[in-house]
Amino acid sequence: EAGVAQSPRYKIIEKRQSVAFWCNPISGHATLYWYQQILGQGPKLLIQFQNNGVVDDSQLPKDRFSAERLKGVDSTLKIQPAKLEDSAVYLCASSLGTGGNYEKLFFGSGTQLSVL
Amino acid sequence: AQSVAQPEDQVNVAEGNPLTVKCTYSVSGNPYLFWYVQYPNRGLQFLLKYITGDNLVKGSYGFEAEFNKSQTSFHLKKPSALVSDSALYVCAVRDDGSARQLTFGSGTQLTVLP
Repeated sequence: EAGVAQSPRYKIIEKRQSVAFWCNPISGHATLYWYQQILGQGPKLLIQFQNNGVVDDSQLPKDRFSAERLKGVDSTLKIQPAKLEDSAVYLCASSLGTGGNYEKLFFGSGTQLSVL
Repeated sequence: AQSVAQPEDQVNVAEGNPLTVKCTYSVSGNPYLFWYVQYPNRGLQFLLKYITGDNLVKGSYGFEAEFNKSQTSFHLKKPSALVSDSALYVCAVRDDGSARQLTFGSGTQLTVLP
């Protein structure tokens, strides 16, 4: 089966610019996650969607980050304006659902963002 | 609150020797525990999980992990390491009584020396 697709693979921008990341989850996966992974740290959840509804966005910096999941399938994550501390790998993951045996996440290769 | 700790940033082991990557956790209820692996230039891949049942969980690529409730640990093990096992290993936990999502550890870089 096809995996989680993410693009772009790398992005370099200057601070105060905007950037967008795209994710296409595995077909049939209802739950989609965006994580931020800063070098030397574990992934931190930014936002979780169940179909096209937001389940958890408690750690999303809403003054600059936004995300949407179009028709419960593809998703985009946007940063506007970017700060130096946003430099990280942005990971998209999907799962069949949540809870117990559904809680197996499939990750994309990530987008490495460098803010200069 | 839930948390997970991986006390070693780096583990080196000789090929053919057994390997252990350590993980300890803290939850209020019962834990759901996971191990993921990240090879260079690849996304995180699921290795194994503990939800309930046997304390010894077997996963992909010959890896296994032992759930120890009294020590709140979920160490990853393999009897004989391969050079191709060199990767970043990340432990994750979720409290089954909480609506919170997975909390990931900071990862342990495993290097298997030929």
